Order: sequence, then C-alpha cells, then structure tokens
Amino acid sequence: DTEVTQTPKHLVMGMTNKKSLKCEQHMGHRAMYWYKQKAKKPPELMFVYSYEKLSINESVPSRFSPECPNSSLLNLHLHALQPEDSALYLCASSQPGQGASYNEQFFGPGTRLTVL
Amino acid sequence: AQKVTQAQTEISVVEKEDVTLDCVYETRDTTYYLFWYKQPPSGELVFLIRRNSFDEQNEISGRYSWNFQKSTSSFNFTITASQVVDSAVYFCALSEARAGYSTLTFGKGTMLLVSP
Repeated sequence: DTEVTQTPKHLVMGMTNKKSLKCEQHMGHRAMYWYKQKAKKPPELMFVYSYEKLSINESVPSRFSPECPNSSLLNLHLHALQPEDSALYLCASSQPGQGASYNEQFFGPGTRLTVL
Repeated sequence: AQKVTQAQTEISVVEKEDVTLDCVYETRDTTYYLFWYKQPPSGELVFLIRRNSFDEQNEISGRYSWNFQKSTSSFNFTITASQVVDSAVYFCALSEARAGYSTLTFGKGTMLLVSP
C-alpha cells in the first residue's frame, strides 16, 4: 500500500464549528506532515511529526491543533476558523533515513476546506 | 537557506508543441533531492520524478524528460508533444534530510496551459 488517504475530501464549516481532518498511511512511514495550500500558490508547511512527536510548528495559529495518535494516523483539529483559512489541506508522509529512497514525501489527495 | 526559483509563472502552448519548464535551486547542502510534482485542477499533487544530488544522469520517461545540471543548479523539465491532459501547475521542489524528517522547499509553480 503506497497511499496516503485523507478524509473528508470536502468540508464546509462555520466560524464557530469544531471539525477535524484525518490523514492515514500504512507504508510504515515515521514522519507525517500537514501543509496548507491557497489557490495558485505552492503548499506551505504547517506541522511536522516525527516518530509521533511534534518536530515543527511553523507558527501556526492555535485554532489549528494537530494530533498524531499513532504512527499511521495524523489529525488536524479545527476550531474557530476564519474565512481566510479556506484552502486545500494536504497531508504527506515520509520515511526518515539516508539515501535516495528515503525522505520522499508522499502526498494525500487533500481536503478542500471552506470556512463561511 | 534553501530556495527554488521557477521563473515562468504561466506558459501557453498548442497541442503537440514541446515545452520546457525551468527550475533553479539554491542550497548549501551537499546531499539533497530534487522533485517535480504535477497538480491538475483536481488538486492532488502527483509525483513525477526524484533525483538525488549525486546522480546527474538525465532521465526520460515517455514524453517527459529531465535535465539535471549541478554546475548551473538547474533541474529542467521538458514535455515533448504536449497534450491537453498535461495542463496543470507544475512544482519543482528541493528536499533536504533532517534528523527524523525531511524539509521540502517548493518553487512558486508554473501553470501550463495546453490548448487543442
């Protein structure tokens, strides 16, 4: 299985809602990532988990709360979002190590989020 | 600091024309990886190729070819006999290994429009 899955595919939420995005991989990867991508822009890194521990938080507002319950699963909890948070949220995973076969990030299909 | 420059914001061609997408990168690391991703309107990032810094061999895959030149820090991508299905945004990216994860720096992307 060389796939990263993300649910839901689309999400519409109000500014007072609480929702969660889910990402799953069964490739045995130990690094997982959340990216945010606005239209016509490259993906921007939000968070990195390595061996289930948060390694990077790119100064993301606290209304985004990541969680890594186990090595296969990555969640992004959303609360009190703003309309400008509407974007495509991409999850990725990679296997840490040396050599060309490592470190490639495998991306999921993304969740398209609209905040009303 | 890493940097990836894709100077072409948008390219329009007519079907069957050849097109080259430019990518120039900057890094201080001696070991790094370069990638090209395709992002069609559906939003999913599709992996096209990975190249490590020690492998300067050019590669051809069907209508796609890549020219990696360390001397000019460039990793250009050519599509031969373009087709309408090639219309997408193409991102060049530079990856560096860290302890337990990798960092991925994207260029701003080149939007390719192929008209019939």
